[in-house]
Amino acid sequence: DAGITQSPRHKVTETGTPVTLRCHQTENHRYMYWYRQDPGHGLRLIHYSYGVKDTDKGEVSDGYSVSRSKTEDFLLTLESATSSQTSVYFCAISDRDYNSPLHFGNGTRLTVT
Amino acid sequence: SQQGEEDPQALSIQEGENATMNCSYKTSINNLQWYRQNSGRGLVHLILIRSNEREKHSGRLRVTLDTSKKSSSLLITASRAADTASYFCATDVRSGNTPLVFGKGTRLSVIA
Repeated sequence: DAGITQSPRHKVTETGTPVTLRCHQTENHRYMYWYRQDPGHGLRLIHYSYGVKDTDKGEVSDGYSVSRSKTEDFLLTLESATSSQTSVYFCAISDRDYNSPLHFGNGTRLTVT
Repeated sequence: SQQGEEDPQALSIQEGENATMNCSYKTSINNLQWYRQNSGRGLVHLILIRSNEREKHSGRLRVTLDTSKKSSSLLITASRAADTASYFCATDVRSGNTPLVFGKGTRLSVIA
C-alpha cells in the first residue's frame, strides 16, 4: 500500500458533536481527496486539496470542512455530526494531476447515533 | 452526479470463467480508470486507459474503450476466488480540471 494512514479506523459519535478525521501520507503527493462510500451511491467526493492551504468542494461538501496545513496531512471535520453522515470515509492521494491514479487509505467507518 | 455507471450491479461466476463488467459514462473524457475494492479495504488502482486507446492489457485484465459509445469494459479472464471484490470505473471530465468521478461499482463473486 502507498503510505496513507487514516485515523481513527472506527468511530462512533453522537449527533451534534464535532468529529475530525485525519489522513496522513508519506508519499509527498500534491493532491489529496476525501470520499465517502455509501450503499447504492458508490464513492462521492467531499473535498479535495491541490496543495497546502489549497482546497475545494466536491459533490457532497455540505456539513464538512477540510484543512491542509502540511503536505502530508489532510483533515476532514464534521462540525456537527448528523446521522446522514454515517458512512465509510476514504482518503486518497495522487501525484501529478487529477487524472493520475489514486492511492487510497483503508477508510474510517463513522457511525453517528 | 455519477459520471460513470457500471453494469451489472452484481455478477456471480464459477472459478475459471471469464468475468465482464461494463462502464458507461456521460461526457467526453481524457482517460478512464478501473479500481478494485476488497471487502473492508480501500480501492486499488488496476488500469488506466486513455481516450486515444482502444484496448489495454494487464495480466489477466483486458480493458476496452469505445469513446463513440461512451463505454468501457473490464474483462477478467480465468477468474479466481481471490478476484471476488467490487470493481469501479472512474472518469475525469475532458473539459474540466477536476477530480475523478466514480461509478457505483460491480460486485463480483467468484465461486470456487
